[in-house]
Amino acid sequence: KAGVTQTPRYLIKTRGQQVTLSCSPISGHRSVSWYQQTPGQGLQFLFEYFSETQRNKGNFPGRFSGRQFSNSRSEMNVSTLELGDSALYLCASSFNMNTEAFFGQGTRLTVV
Amino acid sequence: EDQVTQSPEALRLQEGESSSLNCSYTVSGLRGLFWYRQDPGKGPEFLFTLYSAGEEKEKERLKATLTKKESFLHITAPKPEDSATYLCAVHLPSGGSYIPTFGRGTSLIVHP
Repeated sequence: KAGVTQTPRYLIKTRGQQVTLSCSPISGHRSVSWYQQTPGQGLQFLFEYFSETQRNKGNFPGRFSGRQFSNSRSEMNVSTLELGDSALYLCASSFNMNTEAFFGQGTRLTVV
Repeated sequence: EDQVTQSPEALRLQEGESSSLNCSYTVSGLRGLFWYRQDPGKGPEFLFTLYSAGEEKEKERLKATLTKKESFLHITAPKPEDSATYLCAVHLPSGGSYIPTFGRGTSLIVHP
């Protein structure tokens, strides 16, 4: 079956801009989680959506937001980009939060 | 304080030289310990989930074990293709909920 698809794969944005990343989960998976990965902080949880509702949220500022659609596809938005937002953003889908997660290839965001 | 710690940070092995990676955690009420493998530029790939102390799971040259305080990922007779970063994760309590928390990973290089 098809895996988790993230688009775009690479993005370059300027400070102050906003960006939207997209994630299509594995068919049948209703839980979609987003993560930020940087060399300095490692892999950090942003938030999780289940059936269009945000169920869990990590310790990130309100500039980071997301949503999930009725077909389980999810988007993540970052407003007022800062240089420190440069990272690999990963999406993971699963049946539920406590089950194994399947990750996409990620979106490499560079803020200049 | 609840946390997840992996050791060593980096490990270099010769092909065929068996070793173990460690993931120690402090959390009451474990909701599963997850092992992932991550290749450069890619999203993590799920390997194992362990839920109870004493539980063991195997896959090819990998074997994961769990105690009440730590998990080991044993690599038997590794091959160069086993080179990757190995991540462990547990769900830690945060603000009335549980969020997945990853260790910093062990970077494994297997030399032919």
